[in-house]
Amino acid sequence: EPEVTQTPSHQVTQMGQEVILRCVPISNHLYFYWYRQILGQKVEFLVSFYNNEISEKSEIFDDQFSVERPDGSNFTLKIRSTKLEDSAMYFCASSETRVHGELFFGEGSRLTVL
Amino acid sequence: GESVGLHLPTLSVQEGDNSIINCAYSNSASDYFIWYKQESGKGPQFIIDIRSNMDKRQGQRVTVLLNKTVKHLSLQIAATQPGDSAVYFCAEWNQAGTALIFGKGTTLSVSS
Repeated sequence: EPEVTQTPSHQVTQMGQEVILRCVPISNHLYFYWYRQILGQKVEFLVSFYNNEISEKSEIFDDQFSVERPDGSNFTLKIRSTKLEDSAMYFCASSETRVHGELFFGEGSRLTVL
Repeated sequence: GESVGLHLPTLSVQEGDNSIINCAYSNSASDYFIWYKQESGKGPQFIIDIRSNMDKRQGQRVTVLLNKTVKHLSLQIAATQPGDSAVYFCAEWNQAGTALIFGKGTTLSVSS
């Protein structure tokens, strides 16, 4: 069964360092998403991406965040200068269609900022 | 604004009981809802969805009910099993159809 894969599964970084989280969406999917989940809290929308453009971003997705689809298969989330409060699970998701489509989630990347 | 929430943060049931998890939404224009299950340390997993032109949809051991009048949906799990222990989220698409917004989640604990 096709799945969304994410790397790394866990990354520990120092405050102020840049982090790149990587995702390989399901191959025929056209819509890509990043979500964040702080421990014990709800799944928060960060950004959606379609046709090499951001479709929507939340208030969390400030200038420190960026997304890219560098090579037609990977979808990356970059945090330019990490803060302690960026510590969370980051989930990538993809879907074949919009709105009435099911989002398929990866297993997540745990980011710990020290 | 758009928001999706759940009534109870935790629900504890005995194995074999039926479970009902509730969710209230605020956007009356929402026309598609999804229930996700999240097991510990994993990503959310699709359980069942429902469109606003329906008031009930059944899957395997799960039923989703939608009451548009009071903007409420519920997830019913029949004969709950220990493997059903997880956090359950309802989610709805924003009006632009560009973001799937999750509610706060209910933690279901099943004891045998």
